[in-house]
Amino acid sequence: AQTVTQSQPEMSVQEAETVTLSCTYDTSESDYYLFWYKQPPSRQMILVIRQEAYKQQNATENRFSVNFQKAAKSFSLKISDSQLGDAAMYFCAYRSARAVQGSYNTDKLIFGTGTRLQVFP
Amino acid sequence: EPEVTQTPSHQVTQMGQEVILRCVPISNHLYFYWYRQILGQKVEFLVSFYNNEISEKSEIFDDQFSVERPDGSNFTLKIRSTKLEDSAMYFCASSATWASMNTGELFFGEGSRLTVL
Repeated sequence: AQTVTQSQPEMSVQEAETVTLSCTYDTSESDYYLFWYKQPPSRQMILVIRQEAYKQQNATENRFSVNFQKAAKSFSLKISDSQLGDAAMYFCAYRSARAVQGSYNTDKLIFGTGTRLQVFP
Repeated sequence: EPEVTQTPSHQVTQMGQEVILRCVPISNHLYFYWYRQILGQKVEFLVSFYNNEISEKSEIFDDQFSVERPDGSNFTLKIRSTKLEDSAMYFCASSATWASMNTGELFFGEGSRLTVL
């Protein structure tokens, strides 16, 4: 079974600085997706960034980027120029990309335990 | 922008009572999920649903739980006889359309907080 591990329960960063959140995962599959979701106090989970395992290039979305190391099964999130609005719980998540129902994937997301990020002015 | 909506946002119930949590997934999505998050803990998978039947369920999803999509829009989670340990935030999610590439992303609702007294 796949597992996702986030070893940092809490992190903090100064506004405008850079912070990196760690995530490791375990799987025997070769094709999968990895995600970072943000859960602010308003509680809805919002997708921050996505990485397909077959892509070697690290995903980037504005101030958010990942360092995807497939061999090491590591998927860290870097937040540059941190803003007060980045304060939230961040969850790393794994999803198999196996074709199950025709060409479409019904597999569940598997979440890590989360990292609470505090941003100080 | 289309979104997943959930009602109620908060429900308080007595132990042993039945609870129904409702979700309206994004209209052209095909796959539906329920997750729960006990306060301050990880997000746990409960069940996935496709083509009017359960695709997968976790060991948490025992006989006290059921899901259905009664009218083609709502997706409900029923807890038959609530226990104290059912107190949690319950998230509904949906994904994937026939027309679009499956990006793998799940879209989440804002959650329904269930408090069992």
